[in-house]
Amino acid sequence: QSVLTQSPSVSGAPGQRVTISCTGSSSNIGAGYDLHWFQQLPGTAPRLLIYANNHRPSGVPDRFSGSKAGTSASLVITGLQAEDEADYYCQSFDSRLSGYVFGTGTKVTVL
Amino acid sequence: QVQLVESGGDVVQPGTSLRLSCVASGFTFRTSAMHWVRQAPGKGLEWVATTSFDERTKYYADSVKGRFTIYRDNSKDTLYLQMSNVRADDTAIFYCVREIFDSWGQGTLVAVSS
Repeated sequence: QSVLTQSPSVSGAPGQRVTISCTGSSSNIGAGYDLHWFQQLPGTAPRLLIYANNHRPSGVPDRFSGSKAGTSASLVITGLQAEDEADYYCQSFDSRLSGYVFGTGTKVTVL
Repeated sequence: QVQLVESGGDVVQPGTSLRLSCVASGFTFRTSAMHWVRQAPGKGLEWVATTSFDERTKYYADSVKGRFTIYRDNSKDTLYLQMSNVRADDTAIFYCVREIFDSWGQGTLVAVSS
């Protein structure tokens, strides 16, 4: 089982704001390791959406933003669009496991 | 542009071995750490293994430790995953991923079935 917990699903109407949470522990997020977010559209490989907690790679719209506090992190999508319907995963490093860990994943549905 | 192309996926029987390959281009492979990440059908992402650029440091998920080996040939810009004693729960799409997880291959499917 994953050590990073995410809510299974969130939904919103076009234009709304949705928040995806990622809860970890003192051996991963709380230890100061960078937190990354990935978007996976149906049938495709994951895509890096946010790196190092709150940075967007070039080409990622600014309606995606990330934050981290304590042992948790959040991904916010403002101005939700139909093409944002996808699975989202958080990821960090875990010192107790000596390896990388992914969150359980959150399915975003655009109503 | 960065390109990662995996190959080697197949349908295999439990207990057998398989080697996955990933050919990299568009960046300096020999100075980049690399990872393998997998995704079972209908499931989430699972990190599998990581190698440093020089193979001095390697990490493995507990689920594959002792059975899988990650290695690379920097002269061929190629990353490998040697899979041994495979099990049904190893069935997944295996992705090759660049150092900071910013570039992913298209994946190669491994199906373990008797």
